[in-house]
Amino acid sequence: AQSVTQLGSHVSVSEGALVLLRCNYSSSVPPYLFWYVQYPNQGLQLLLKYTTGATLVKGINGFEAEFKKSETSFHLTKPSAHMSDAAEYFCAVSDQAGTALIFGKGTTLSVSS
Amino acid sequence: EPEVTQTPSHQVTQMGQEVILRCVPISNHLYFYWYRQILGQKVEFLVSFYNNEISEKSEIFDDQFSVERPDGSNFTLKIRSTKLEDSAMYFCASSETGRYTGELFFGEGSRLTVL
Repeated sequence: AQSVTQLGSHVSVSEGALVLLRCNYSSSVPPYLFWYVQYPNQGLQLLLKYTTGATLVKGINGFEAEFKKSETSFHLTKPSAHMSDAAEYFCAVSDQAGTALIFGKGTTLSVSS
Repeated sequence: EPEVTQTPSHQVTQMGQEVILRCVPISNHLYFYWYRQILGQKVEFLVSFYNNEISEKSEIFDDQFSVERPDGSNFTLKIRSTKLEDSAMYFCASSETGRYTGELFFGEGSRLTVL
């Protein structure tokens, strides 16, 4: 069965600092990997996804993530945090069989000035 | 920009009562989903729906849950006899291509509180 582990339920950074949100997955078949963001009182919005091809994936708002098969990881990064990046971030996994999108518990990102 | 809309945004109900949560997916999407998030826990998959039938469901989606697409626009989740543990935020989502390689578009959620 697939699963996702997000390390750190809460990450705090200063404005301008590097953002690193960690995600490790477990899948017996090649995974499809996703990062979603949820701003307060809003639904989940896709940030980026990896299905096949290039392992470094760029998304919206300056975020990117790298699929590392050897480490079973799909960490989300952004070089310089903005106050507007404060939100809940969810990593999710699926696969080619089209099984359900499985979410991690989420990481709350706080950005201070 | 097209969006998924959900009603109600918040519903309070007594244990044992029936609840219907409503969703209007994006109009050209063919795949529909319900997820839920109990406070402080993961977003959990409940069910997916395609071509007027359930395509996949989780262990959570037992006999007290049902889904329906009663007309060309609405997609509903019914909980027949609510329990305290059904209290959660319920998210509806839709996608154009399905098989989870396409983007899921989520609504803002319906918060269900069971007393």
